[in-house]
Amino acid sequence: AQTVTQSQPEMSVQEAETVTLSCTYDTSENNYYLFWYKQPPSRQMILVIRQEAYKQQNATENRFSVNFQKAAKSFSLKISDSQLGDTAMYFCAFMKLNTDKLIFGTGTRLQVFP
Amino acid sequence: EAQVTQNPRYLITVTGKKLTVTCSQNMNHEYMSWYRQDPGLGLRQIYYSMNVEVTDKGDVPEGYKVSRKEKRNFPLILESPSPNQTSLYFCASKGSVETQYFGPGTRLLVL
Repeated sequence: AQTVTQSQPEMSVQEAETVTLSCTYDTSENNYYLFWYKQPPSRQMILVIRQEAYKQQNATENRFSVNFQKAAKSFSLKISDSQLGDTAMYFCAFMKLNTDKLIFGTGTRLQVFP
Repeated sequence: EAQVTQNPRYLITVTGKKLTVTCSQNMNHEYMSWYRQDPGLGLRQIYYSMNVEVTDKGDVPEGYKVSRKEKRNFPLILESPSPNQTSLYFCASKGSVETQYFGPGTRLLVL
């Protein structure tokens, strides 16, 4: 069975600085997707970034980028130029190809300070 | 606007009183799913549906029912709610792109 581990329950960063959130996963699959979702105080689940396992290039979305290390089964999220609006819970998630089921980590609560 | 909607957003009920949480999507997605979120546990899948009249259990289906009579709707039914079903519930849908889009969540308190 697949598992997703987020070992940092809470993190903080000062505005305009860079922060990296860690995520590791366990799977025997070769083809899968990885996601980072953001959950602000409103509780809405917002997709931040997606990575296909067959792509070697790390995904990037504006200030958000990932470091995908397939052999190490690691999928960290880097937030550059942190903004107060980045304050949220961040969830890492795994999805095996053709299953449509997301397996979530337990989340990392990020606080951005002025 | 493409979206997933859920109703109600907040619900307080008592043990044993049947309730339904509705979910609707306007993106013509075939796949829909329900998750529950509990502190320290992340989100866990309750039920999912690959298409109309096709549903299957996720990881935590006990105490829940679902139906998929129309493509756009996927209601979650709690026939006899219990306090351990107090949680934050999310409906999600997915089309051909391998990304799930979530509704705004329904916060349920069972007394």
